[in-house]
Amino acid sequence: AQKITQTQPGMFVQEKEAVTLDCTYDTSDPSYGLFWYKQPSSGEMIFLIYQGSYDQQNATEGRYSLNFQKARKSANLVISASQLGDSAMYFCAIQTGANNLFFGTGTRLTVIP
Amino acid sequence: EAQVTQNPRYLITVTGKKLTVTCSQNMNHEYMSWYRQDPGLGLRQIYYSMNVEVTDKGDVPEGYKVSRKEKRNFPLILESPSPNQTSLYFCASRENTEAFFGQGTRLTVV
Repeated sequence: AQKITQTQPGMFVQEKEAVTLDCTYDTSDPSYGLFWYKQPSSGEMIFLIYQGSYDQQNATEGRYSLNFQKARKSANLVISASQLGDSAMYFCAIQTGANNLFFGTGTRLTVIP
Repeated sequence: EAQVTQNPRYLITVTGKKLTVTCSQNMNHEYMSWYRQDPGLGLRQIYYSMNVEVTDKGDVPEGYKVSRKEKRNFPLILESPSPNQTSLYFCASRENTEAFFGQGTRLTVV
């Protein structure tokens, strides 16, 4: 069975600073994908970044980067130069086999002006 | 524009009254799924479909039904809703590394 663990229920960061949101996973499948989603207070799920298990380089998308440490089974999200609009819930998810996505419980990020 | 459309966005209903939440995608994706989101539990998968007429249970299927008669549509059916099905529901459509979610349906069963 697949499992995603997000150990930080809430995080605070000063505006313009960088922040790391933790995510660890557990799977016996050698081929998998890792996703991060942002959920603002309006409720929609916004795709941020994807990392494949065989990707050699860490994924980056603008201010978002994924710190992928395969041996440690971790896929932390790094947000650089935080903005007030980054305040939201953030979910890590793993996809294996039959395209199923399994989600963590989320981290609520608050950016302080 | 790539889109997953759910309707309705908000619904308040009474226990036992059958309801359907519709979901439609315009990306020709084969894989679609339904999730419910509850505080402290993240998103849990209810049902998924790998193609037309192919559906399977997720982690929390009890009390729900789905159908996939056409590729673009994947409705979620609650035959006899109960208060413990009060939740925020998301439909998702994906293909490889692309994954899109609908805007969510906030359901309250009283």
